[in-house]
Amino acid sequence: SAVISQKPSRDICQRGTSLTIQCQVDSQVTMMFWYRQQPGQSLTLIATANQGSEATYESGFVIDKFPISRPNLTFSTLTVSNMSPEDSSIYLCSGSGSYNEQFFGPGTRLTVL
Amino acid sequence: LAKTTQPISMDSYEGQEVNITCSHNNIATNDYITWYQQFPSQGPRFIIQGYKTKVKNEVASLFIPADRKSSTLSLPRVSLSDTAVYYCLVGRRDNAGNMLTFGGGTRLMVKP
Repeated sequence: SAVISQKPSRDICQRGTSLTIQCQVDSQVTMMFWYRQQPGQSLTLIATANQGSEATYESGFVIDKFPISRPNLTFSTLTVSNMSPEDSSIYLCSGSGSYNEQFFGPGTRLTVL
Repeated sequence: LAKTTQPISMDSYEGQEVNITCSHNNIATNDYITWYQQFPSQGPRFIIQGYKTKVKNEVASLFIPADRKSSTLSLPRVSLSDTAVYYCLVGRRDNAGNMLTFGGGTRLMVKP
């Protein structure tokens, strides 16, 4: 299994600003993903972070709003750009193992005022 | 894209066996079935994964009938600490891109 950490664990931001969330894996993983989860609701996949190339975004999510980097096999960042209160959510990073089971980070709780 | 359907919630008592069924009628040939557990304020945790028949590990069993249109997660002798949301996920295992759609999940409440 892989252990995944995220920074920050939570933040309160002002409308119009941007926040970059970091995701670190303690071992190499095949794929990394970013999810969003509203409190009490299920997870929604934002994008797949590809090493050395542009991320693959799901329907409804665009690179300008959620730029993602993955410079190596153990690290990725997600930026939430030009934030609005609607972006308030929990953002989760995950990495996939040998059988594409996913290991999740603890999440970043974002509040936009 | 295989959609999953699970009961929204279930109640149980300590020491009982809990079975949570997930329907995935349009599962594809290459799809695997994976279950996750999520506690409040934590990320989901991998429980078990299977393709067909029965899979068992130290925490759970997964039963998959021959037609693979459903699966059942079985938790033996639950305790209060098993109170969590359980998600059934269906997707490909290859690296060509996973279609990873979390369903609504089942909120399990274990009572003393």
